[in-house]
Amino acid sequence: DAEITQSPRHKITETGRQVTLACHQTWNHNNMFWYRQDLGHGLRLIHYSYGVQDTNKGEVSDGYSVSRSNTEDLPLTLESAASSQTSVYFCASSELTSAPSVEQFFGPGTRLTVL
Amino acid sequence: AQTVTQSQPEMSVQEAETVTLSCTYDTSENNYYLFWYKQPPSRQMILVIRQEAYKQQNATENRFSVNFQKAAKSFSLKISDSQLGDTAMYFCAFMKQPITDKLIFGTGTRLQVFP
Repeated sequence: DAEITQSPRHKITETGRQVTLACHQTWNHNNMFWYRQDLGHGLRLIHYSYGVQDTNKGEVSDGYSVSRSNTEDLPLTLESAASSQTSVYFCASSELTSAPSVEQFFGPGTRLTVL
Repeated sequence: AQTVTQSQPEMSVQEAETVTLSCTYDTSENNYYLFWYKQPPSRQMILVIRQEAYKQQNATENRFSVNFQKAAKSFSLKISDSQLGDTAMYFCAFMKQPITDKLIFGTGTRLQVFP
């Protein structure tokens, strides 16, 4: 069955370290997204991609970067981790959309703690 | 910019009863999609129901139904015959047309179903 996976599921790091969170989907979806979930904020969009070599900034992109070298993967990098980036991170994917297929499929999330 | 507001941080309901979760949104768009996502303790994001703004008929999925009031920009979720497995965080989300696939989430409502 097609799926979307994230690794690691939990990570603890120190302030200033570079961290990369992996996202891999086997749906063959063109669109991929990274969100962060924080209490009182719901989920907020960090970066997104509509295809290979395409990346775009979302609402809360400062301190994060992504690259899309193939269809399946969209790794999220925290260049220099800060305590404010302690959060749960979700990756999602969807097909190059045309109605009615607009559903985004979410990964299981990664809980990141920055000490 | 679009915003989504969920004014009920927490709700509770007894098993087999009916509960309604509220959501309002702000947009100048005429065509868009609205969604309710469920996030159980497992953290997985699960699509519960969606509504296309151009459709006047309210969407239903088994025990879940919505009351979509386009003029009032209101999109409430009704859960009938509540079950213990409905205990979760519920997020209302908005997606603009033409399809950009970026979801804008509300802050969520935590629903507790009691036996």
